[in-house]
Amino acid sequence: DVQMTQSPSSLSASVGDRVTITCRASQSISRYLNWYQQKPGKAPRLLIYATSNLQSGVPSRFSGSGSGTDFSLTISRLQPEDIATYYCQQSHGTFGGGTKVEIK
Amino acid sequence: QVQLQQSGPGLVRPSQTLSIACVISGDSVSSNSAAWNWIRQSPSRGLEWLGRTYFRSKWYSEYAESLKSRIIINADSSKNQFSLQLSSVTPEDTAVYYCARDDFTSGATLDYWGQGTLVTVSS
Repeated sequence: DVQMTQSPSSLSASVGDRVTITCRASQSISRYLNWYQQKPGKAPRLLIYATSNLQSGVPSRFSGSGSGTDFSLTISRLQPEDIATYYCQQSHGTFGGGTKVEIK
Repeated sequence: QVQLQQSGPGLVRPSQTLSIACVISGDSVSSNSAAWNWIRQSPSRGLEWLGRTYFRSKWYSEYAESLKSRIIINADSSKNQFSLQLSSVTPEDTAVYYCARDDFTSGATLDYWGQGTLVTVSS
């Protein structure tokens, strides 16, 4: 199985900061990488699919990049409503361990 | 607007079979441009993709390798729903179970989710 490793596991940033979360696959997954946001007690929400495609309704401050084994999710200007845990996932496969984003 | 509504028991005895259904509104389980997934989440295992089913002239199912011997995902077109069956459960299978859709038209994966069902495996 492909292993997905996210870093950091948690971060604290100020409103308006640029935030980047990375995800590394144990072997190449081409561009089959998705990002989800999860708030407590809720189902995950799709943000980005196939590495860089913004899901409908997701604010443009979210963006994704990468290919092969190294990927990243960037929030250009952190907002209070972005407080959540973020997960990467190889399409129809393993999820990363999550990155908890908090406001400083 | 696609909506997925889950139903199933919250408590399952060890060695028994866990069964959860997901009723679809706003789309068709037999759609040629969708696939229907099950995912679970627990503190010990995190998020885990379990498998999916889809219709392309006939029904197909794909499963996570680790569960292939115990899992069945199938669909009921008459009820516009799909279901998860996981046999021989142990306390390790205690988790919140979610259903979710893949949209092949846009390429989006897991774009709509059910509300989640907490299943506890305990005697």
